Amino acid sequence: DAGVIQSPRHEVTEMGQEVTLRCKPISGHNSLFWYRQTMMRGLELLIYFNNNVPIDDSGMPEDRFSAKMPNASFSTLKIQPSEPRDSAVYFCASSQLASGTGSYTFGSGTRLTVV
Amino acid sequence: DAKTTQPPSMDCAEGRAANLPCNHSTISGNEYVYWYRQIHSQGPQYIIHGLKNNETNEMASLIITEDRKSSTLILPHATLRDTAVYYCIVRVGSSSASKIIFGSGTRLSIRP
Repeated sequence: DAGVIQSPRHEVTEMGQEVTLRCKPISGHNSLFWYRQTMMRGLELLIYFNNNVPIDDSGMPEDRFSAKMPNASFSTLKIQPSEPRDSAVYFCASSQLASGTGSYTFGSGTRLTVV
Repeated sequence: DAKTTQPPSMDCAEGRAANLPCNHSTISGNEYVYWYRQIHSQGPQYIIHGLKNNETNEMASLIITEDRKSSTLILPHATLRDTAVYYCIVRVGSSSASKIIFGSGTRLSIRP
């Protein structure tokens, strides 16, 4: 299995531009999580989906952030408009509901820099 | 979910056992203890989890006290590749229906 695949690995954009981060979960996993990591705030859970349905988006910082999961094999996290304070590493993780371990598998992350 | 307390940093000599402590004094009866680690620039990696009994797998051992208020992750023969931030997490249930909230973790340095 290729694991959780995130794209792009690095993104540099100008303030005010729209940014779209992509995630392909592990086949057969039906839970998907978006995290953001910064030096100041550590790893923060932004939103998670079970069976493609958003369950908890209380971690989404503001309306500029939106996430979708149109099918079981794809999710996007969009920031519009982007701001310098959005610069961070964004991780996607997937898991199998009611699996034996309940563990998450993380992708390699997308490093976003907004200038 | 219950909060956990971990030392911010530790070090260990290569080849020795690394023992990472975690306090979770407010843990509830249905909450599991999970350990993840994050090697620099990578996504977090699952290590092990347990409810009451001690657990062992190919990566590590988890020792949970009888009152479940604390636990210790043991890396039996630490190598330089074990240098990472280690997160102790408690969460309700063992399915992914409950979310994982990461704290600050322990930065483990393995010295040659």
